[in-house]
Amino acid sequence: DGGITQSPKYLFRKEGQNVTLSCEQNLNHDAMYWYRQDPGQGLRLIYYSQIVNDFQKGDIAEGYSVSREKKESFPLTVTSAQKNPTAFYLCASTSGRTFTDTQYFGPGTRLTVL
Amino acid sequence: AQSVTQLDSQVPVFEEAPVELRCNYSSSVSVYLFWYVQYPNQGLQLLLKYLSGSTLVESINGFEAEFNKSQTSFHLRKPSVHISDTAEYFCAVSDQGAGGTSYGKLTFGQGTILTVHP
Repeated sequence: DGGITQSPKYLFRKEGQNVTLSCEQNLNHDAMYWYRQDPGQGLRLIYYSQIVNDFQKGDIAEGYSVSREKKESFPLTVTSAQKNPTAFYLCASTSGRTFTDTQYFGPGTRLTVL
Repeated sequence: AQSVTQLDSQVPVFEEAPVELRCNYSSSVSVYLFWYVQYPNQGLQLLLKYLSGSTLVESINGFEAEFNKSQTSFHLRKPSVHISDTAEYFCAVSDQGAGGTSYGKLTFGQGTILTVHP
């Protein structure tokens, strides 16, 4: 079955450590997105990528970094510069690059920084 | 810039009762509107979307939403809910950026937790 996988499901890290969240899709989608979800705040866009080797900052990119070396992979690194990293992180993809496309979401990674 | 407001953070209802989840948006250009559903500890799934044409759109599991341009609203309704409808619902908007450059970027509302009680 085609879909998006995110790993790990739960992640614990000590304050000051960088951590990388994995996102892989086998849908052959061009565009991929990272969102952060906090209770009562909905989803906020961190980074997005429309094609391989290109990505753009979203609304809350500070303290995060991404890469897009392969079409199917879009890892997110949460750096020590991110002041409040504890959150639920969701990866998504769309087949095209237009605003009418449906976003397909992965199951998410819950990051807790101790 | 666009924004989305979901007017209720939590909506408790009894099984088989009707429900309405409210969503208002603001945008200076034409928009596309979406409702996504999130079951506990899962990602989001598209429930329905309005792109053009009929202002009333329906999902396969009995939900419907009506685009009201004059009131800038896209409320979600279901005439009779089930226990399995318990989830968090997100309204989202995507605008027609200049030259169609939005690339699927969505602005989400804060979410409404629907809890269906037996």
